Amino acid sequence: GQQVMQIPQYQHVQEGEDFTTYCNSSTTLSNIQWYKQRPGGHPVFLIQLVKSGEVKKQKRLTFQFGEAKKNSSLHITATQTTDVGTYFCAGPGGLTGGGNKLTFGTGTQLKVEL
Amino acid sequence: DTAVSQTPKYLVTQMGNDKSIKCEQNLGHDTMYWYKQDSKKFLKIMFSYNNKELIINETVPNRFSPKSPDKAHLNLHINSLELGDSAVYFCASSRGLAGNEQFFGPGTRLTVL
Repeated sequence: GQQVMQIPQYQHVQEGEDFTTYCNSSTTLSNIQWYKQRPGGHPVFLIQLVKSGEVKKQKRLTFQFGEAKKNSSLHITATQTTDVGTYFCAGPGGLTGGGNKLTFGTGTQLKVEL
Repeated sequence: DTAVSQTPKYLVTQMGNDKSIKCEQNLGHDTMYWYKQDSKKFLKIMFSYNNKELIINETVPNRFSPKSPDKAHLNLHINSLELGDSAVYFCASSRGLAGNEQFFGPGTRLTVL
């Protein structure tokens, strides 16, 4: 079935450093979504990318969808303590349910130290 | 004004017991989901309902039974709880199918002793 892997699984950075998480799907995706989950919180939608090669920015966050629509990345410039949390990519599709199901990536847990 | 709410927030129970988690959304969405998040933060879909009909049933033990009395509610009943059921369970909803943004509830932390 479809698998969505993210690397790294964990990342510790000093405040002010940049951070990138990479997402790779075993299948081509019609779109990719990114979610952020703060410690003790629930996943919150950040953005959706649809087009091949698409790049979107939200302040210090830059999201990219690969040309083959099988991978994506999230880059944070100059991390702040408010960026702490787990970042998930997610794509529709799967062995059962097809497009009705979002398969979440394995997540990257980001810790930011002062 | 909570968009997706779940009760209870915490649930501590003994092995073998039966428990239920309730979920309600006031967003007018027609699709609702149950996810299980383990201690490593892996988030896996369990069930999905669209307009009260089951559309996704992942490889979940049949001790887990979802029920959707109407579009705004999706409850999860668990029979004969086991230690491995300990996790955080999230309810979510979306307009239409999974290609759209999903809104998550605050989660229910289930601990089985």
